[in-house]
Amino acid sequence: NAGVTQTPKFRILKIGQSMTLQCAQDMNHNYMYWYRQDPGMGLKLIYYSVGAGITDKGEVPNGYNVSRSTTEDFPLRLELAAPSQTSVYFCASSYSGTPRQDYGYTFGSGTRLTVV
Amino acid sequence: DAKTTQPPSMDCAEGRAANLPCNHSTISGNEYVYWYRQIHSQGPQYIIHGLKNNETNEMASLIITEDRKSSTLILPHATLRDTAVYYCIGHRGGKLIFGQGTELSVKP
Repeated sequence: NAGVTQTPKFRILKIGQSMTLQCAQDMNHNYMYWYRQDPGMGLKLIYYSVGAGITDKGEVPNGYNVSRSTTEDFPLRLELAAPSQTSVYFCASSYSGTPRQDYGYTFGSGTRLTVV
Repeated sequence: DAKTTQPPSMDCAEGRAANLPCNHSTISGNEYVYWYRQIHSQGPQYIIHGLKNNETNEMASLIITEDRKSSTLILPHATLRDTAVYYCIGHRGGKLIFGQGTELSVKP
């Protein structure tokens, strides 16, 4: 049982390049999330999904896109990388959005992205 | 979503109880309070959550005031491995919205 797996762990991008951050979970969780964390700051919600085919914006969605074609996978796409997107990206999943049925989110180990 | 306020940093002696406060005066009646911690830039780790009753698990205890405007996370016997950033978070509508957290340093 791997939990939440993020790839790659590290990446350096040039300004204007594109890339996809991968996130996969094997816990049959319905809800998945993408956060970014800038140095010394808390996590900011980028996008989230409550199930396959359904996505919604979080606090800081600009410059990113997501898709959720399967329950297991929730990739995050950066189309035109900018230095402001240098950050650590965390993916998370949960069984549901209802705390009584779920003891919290499971987070991946993060992707450290630098845009130069 | 509730806005939470936490002290930016705290120290605690190893073996003593660590009491981490959180103000969430705008919390709504059906909004849970979650506590997570993040050790050295790893992914955040769930600790405990509650609505209005005090809660205890193998990691910590959560004390929520009767008016639900604040709560305290208690680590009963802090160890060096508890050094981390602790986040108090309001949870509603299937989303966790993180604040700045409290950086707890456990010292020998």
